[in-house]
Amino acid sequence: DVVMTQSPLSLPVTLGQPASISCSSSQSLVHSDGNTYLKWFQQRPGQSPRRLIYKVSNRDSGVPDRFSGSGSGTDFTLKISRVEAEDVGIYYCMQGTHWPGTFGQGTKVEI
Amino acid sequence: QVQLVQSGAEVKKPGASVKVSCKAFGYTFTNYGISWVRQAPGQGLVWMGWISAYNGDTNFAQKLQGRVTMTTDTSTNTAYMELRSLRSDDTGVYYCARDPGFDFWGPGTTVTVSS
Repeated sequence: DVVMTQSPLSLPVTLGQPASISCSSSQSLVHSDGNTYLKWFQQRPGQSPRRLIYKVSNRDSGVPDRFSGSGSGTDFTLKISRVEAEDVGIYYCMQGTHWPGTFGQGTKVEI
Repeated sequence: QVQLVQSGAEVKKPGASVKVSCKAFGYTFTNYGISWVRQAPGQGLVWMGWISAYNGDTNFAQKLQGRVTMTTDTSTNTAYMELRSLRSDDTGVYYCARDPGFDFWGPGTTVTVSS
């Protein structure tokens, strides 16, 4: 299985300041169809995961534009340009290129 | 709008089985599959398996092979996940998610396995 490794696992943040989470995969996530199936999810306390980003950098509808995704191959990043209080939670990357889909360990973002 | 509604919390004894349902609203059920993801208390997300709502094809995580069954009922737009021979480490929250994409998730079903 593809191993997804996130860092850091805990991220203290300051309101209004930027934050960044890294995710690396044990093999390239470029699919044979040319797409890279890397997603980011946010899980607020007591809630289901919510998809924020798909195919590396595509923001889902309703996701604030302070969230952005980037990267290629095996290294990916989720950035929050200015952290707001509602961004507290755990963030997971997930690859869907190789079967089975695998998640990172999660990064806990706290103020 | 798209919504996945899951069945209620379950408490089971070790060795028993549990069947969780996931009813889909707001989209053509057979155009997508459903993946099941579980989360042990305080832990991360783990993909359990996938079922095509179109033809019933399934793929399961190797660790669960032989203990899990996934089915769908297209007449009610409902997916089911049954886990057998429950152990204490099966305790957790079980989510269904529309797949491909994992763009919509159910609220989760808490399964507690305890003697």
